[in-house]
Amino acid sequence: DGGITQSPKYLFRKEGQNVTLSCEQNLNHDAMYWYRQDPGQGLRLIYYSQIVNDFQKGDIAEGYSVSREKKESFPLTVTSAQKNPTAFYLCASSVRKLGNQPQHFGDGTRLSIL
Amino acid sequence: DQQVKQNSPSLSVQEGRISILNCDYTNSMFDYFLWYKKYPAEGPTFLISISSIKDKNEDGRFTVFLNKSAKHLSLHIVPSQPGDSAVYFCAASESGANSKLTFGKGITLSVRP
Repeated sequence: DGGITQSPKYLFRKEGQNVTLSCEQNLNHDAMYWYRQDPGQGLRLIYYSQIVNDFQKGDIAEGYSVSREKKESFPLTVTSAQKNPTAFYLCASSVRKLGNQPQHFGDGTRLSIL
Repeated sequence: DQQVKQNSPSLSVQEGRISILNCDYTNSMFDYFLWYKKYPAEGPTFLISISSIKDKNEDGRFTVFLNKSAKHLSLHIVPSQPGDSAVYFCAASESGANSKLTFGKGITLSVRP
């Protein structure tokens, strides 16, 4: 089945640690995205990538980093510089990064601080 | 500055009745609108979209209406079913290579049996 796989589903981090969230897609989509959702809030864009080896900051990129070495993979690292990392993180992809294309989402990773 | 607003945080309707979920936007450059449905601990699922060249798009029980002059869109679900109980997000974007989706905060729909 084609889709987007995020792992792990739940992740715990100690203060001062970096942690990497995985996102893999087998939809052959060019564009991939990372969003953050907080309770009672909409989805806010962290980073996006239109093609391999290229990515752009979204609205709330501070404290996060990404890489796009393969078309299928777009991992997100939450660094110790992110002061409030506890949230639900969603990865998405679309055929290409144009406004008239729906994005398809994975099932998310919930990150908590110990 | 919230460019996509879903002002009602929740809605409760009886099974079989119509559910109407509203969304307002402020950016006049938005020309593509989407609705997503989300269950707890899952990712959003694309439901239906509409381009600004249309004022209505229908897919089964789901219809989206767009009023460009009022910068308002609505999602109608008829008839509502208990399985429709979820959070519904409205999203909007501008056409073009560097556009992005802007999401509202979501509306929690509860369909009572």
